[in-house]
Amino acid sequence: GEDVEQSLFLSVREGDSSVINCTYTDSSSTYLYWYKQEPGAGLQLLTYIFSNMDMKQDQRLTVLLNKKDKHLSLRIADTQTGDSAIYFCAETTTGGGNKLTFGTGTQLKVEL
Amino acid sequence: GAGVSQSPSNKVTEKGKDVELRCDPISGHTALYWYRQRLGQGLEFLIYFQGNSAPDKSGLPSDRFSAERTGESVSTLTIQRTQQEDSAVYLCASSYTRGGFGTDTQYFGPGTRLTVL
Repeated sequence: GEDVEQSLFLSVREGDSSVINCTYTDSSSTYLYWYKQEPGAGLQLLTYIFSNMDMKQDQRLTVLLNKKDKHLSLRIADTQTGDSAIYFCAETTTGGGNKLTFGTGTQLKVEL
Repeated sequence: GAGVSQSPSNKVTEKGKDVELRCDPISGHTALYWYRQRLGQGLEFLIYFQGNSAPDKSGLPSDRFSAERTGESVSTLTIQRTQQEDSAVYLCASSYTRGGFGTDTQYFGPGTRLTVL
C-alpha cells in the first residue's frame, strides 16, 4: 500500500537553509510534489518532480529524489519568516490515477 | 482569475444530522477531487471525478459519504448521519487533464471546516 512519512517539526534561523525530508513506500510513484499550507489558507503547490529525475531547482527551492531509497527532500535556501508553514510531500502512482497521497506534514518554524 | 471556491467555510452540526459541502472548480477544469484533513494530519483522498467517467470512490470511508458532480461544474459532498469522527477540513481540488505526458496540477480550495458536536 501507499505510505508517505515526514518528520513533524523543523525549526531554523532566518537566513539558514531548511531541509524537509519525506520517505515513501510505493515504488510505482510517477510524480512527487511539495505543497505549502499556511494557517487559514489552502494548499499551495510549490514544486514537483517526475520520478525519473533526481534533482530539480526552482529559485530558492531544490528538490532531491533518491528513488532507490524512496527518499525525497525539499531544500529552502535563505529561509525567511514568510516560509513558516506546514509542508506536505505527496505522490501520484501508476495505477492510482491522479489522486494524491499525502504525508503527514512538517511544520517549519523560522526564528529571527 | 477565480480559483477553486468552497462553501460554507465553516459548518457546525449536531451528531446525526446530514451536511452538504459545495465545491466550485476552476472553469474549464475537467477533474475534481475531494480530500479530508483531520486535525494535525495529512490529507486523505476521498473521491475523484474525471469528465464523464465513473468517479473513483475508493477513498470514501463509509456509505454515509457520497458526492455528485454535474458535468464539469459544481460538486457536492454529502455526509449523512454525521459522527464526531467526521470533524475535519474538507478540501476540494480541480485540475485540467491534458492527457499524455506531464502532470495535471491540482489547485486546492480553502476548504470547509466541519465540526460535529
